[in-house]
Amino acid sequence: QKEVEQNSGPLSVPEGAIASLNCTYSDRGSQSFFWYRQYSGKSPELIMSIYSNGDQEDGRFTAQLNKASQYVSLLIRDSQPSDSATYLCAPHGTGRRALTFGSGTRLQVQP
Amino acid sequence: EAGVTQFPSHSVIEKGQTVTLRCDPISGHDNLYWYRRVMGKEIKFLLHFVKESKQDESGMPNNRFLAERTGGTYSTLKVQPAELEDSGVYFCASSHAGTYGYTFGSGTRLTVV
Repeated sequence: QKEVEQNSGPLSVPEGAIASLNCTYSDRGSQSFFWYRQYSGKSPELIMSIYSNGDQEDGRFTAQLNKASQYVSLLIRDSQPSDSATYLCAPHGTGRRALTFGSGTRLQVQP
Repeated sequence: EAGVTQFPSHSVIEKGQTVTLRCDPISGHDNLYWYRRVMGKEIKFLLHFVKESKQDESGMPNNRFLAERTGGTYSTLKVQPAELEDSGVYFCASSHAGTYGYTFGSGTRLTVV
């Protein structure tokens, strides 16, 4: 079992729709969770962090965490073509001080 | 605030040669991380420095890879001798002590031919 599982996509949504990106993780002791956005050929950019069960909102982005289910998601409201990128889920697990990254979900927002 | 700087941005070397990658973290960031992304795979952890000390090097693939962080400032990652499977993008990231939302550098694309 991979430490972090993400559907590779591509996830295709029309402009203005809600994009829902999902991630499951294996380390039950994980306490902090991060979402990074990576445009093609660029480096990952931190867009959201979440530490408690429930929702964390920042503008058009909402991160959702359910530690019991070992599940974290990212919702992007009013999706824009500029949101087209790969989204990486990165929990901070136990036993290591570095983040573990999923392979990412590629999002395509169709104009 | 200047970001994380990596150079070179690209490097093409022959199998058996040596390459040294450099990373300058954001000033004041004690944590420095090296990651690697091989084609089609996820970003994999290599090692973590806290200031000048190696905190975790469990991700280093083998002893052909040597990382240093001089005086707790910039870091170098040397690959000697390089093999074909070392090709990929090497990312450096840094963060303040006690935080995990890192800032990544733009990466070094290494191609071993």
